Amino acid sequence: NAGVTQTPKFQVLKTGQSMTLQCAQDMNHEYMSWYRQDPGMGLRLIHYSVGAGITDQGEVPNGYNVSRSTTEDFPLRLLSAAPSQTSVYFCASRQGERSPLHFGNGTRLTVT
Amino acid sequence: AQSVSQHNHHVILSEAASLELGCNYSYGGTVNLFWYVQYPGQHLQLLLKYFSGDPLVKGIKGFEAEFIKSKFSFNLRKPSVQWSDTAEYFCAVNADTGRRALTFGSGTRLQVQP
Repeated sequence: NAGVTQTPKFQVLKTGQSMTLQCAQDMNHEYMSWYRQDPGMGLRLIHYSVGAGITDQGEVPNGYNVSRSTTEDFPLRLLSAAPSQTSVYFCASRQGERSPLHFGNGTRLTVT
Repeated sequence: AQSVSQHNHHVILSEAASLELGCNYSYGGTVNLFWYVQYPGQHLQLLLKYFSGDPLVKGIKGFEAEFIKSKFSFNLRKPSVQWSDTAEYFCAVNADTGRRALTFGSGTRLQVQP
């Protein structure tokens, strides 16, 4: 009963480096999303997807790319890391508008 | 565009005190409303949700929330808090049609003192 699995749990990057945060879900959910959580700002939506091959931007998409080649996987790519991207990142999935989000355990990213 | 406001950023209560956390949203159509809780070091977990019907909804751990459509509000309540309720609480909303993106408020940090 894995749910939503995120890797890695922790990551430190230098400014300008790129990396991919992995997210996989085994619940056959159509909808997947990435949020970043910063103190005092709640969760802000980065990108989301309503199904394989379909992605859309959220509130704070700049500096991030996503793809959805399968229903299960929704990786988040940081193209050129910046200190402003230091945050905790959560991947989440849900079945429909009335279903709750299922969250992964988060990735704590530090960019120096 | 939908948005969510949580006006209480940090609340400190003693055990057995009553709790009410405010949540207001802006969206003109039908919405689905959620409250999530995040315990220290953990990810968000669902407390309760509202889609339609009885505007007073009950969730886990003795929490409840009331949807007041005329006030665009969905306040969270608990009659008697416990130390274990210390956590951050997030209100969230999404439109009932189309886009499934869930918009979160900025959160309220609750500290319950024994």
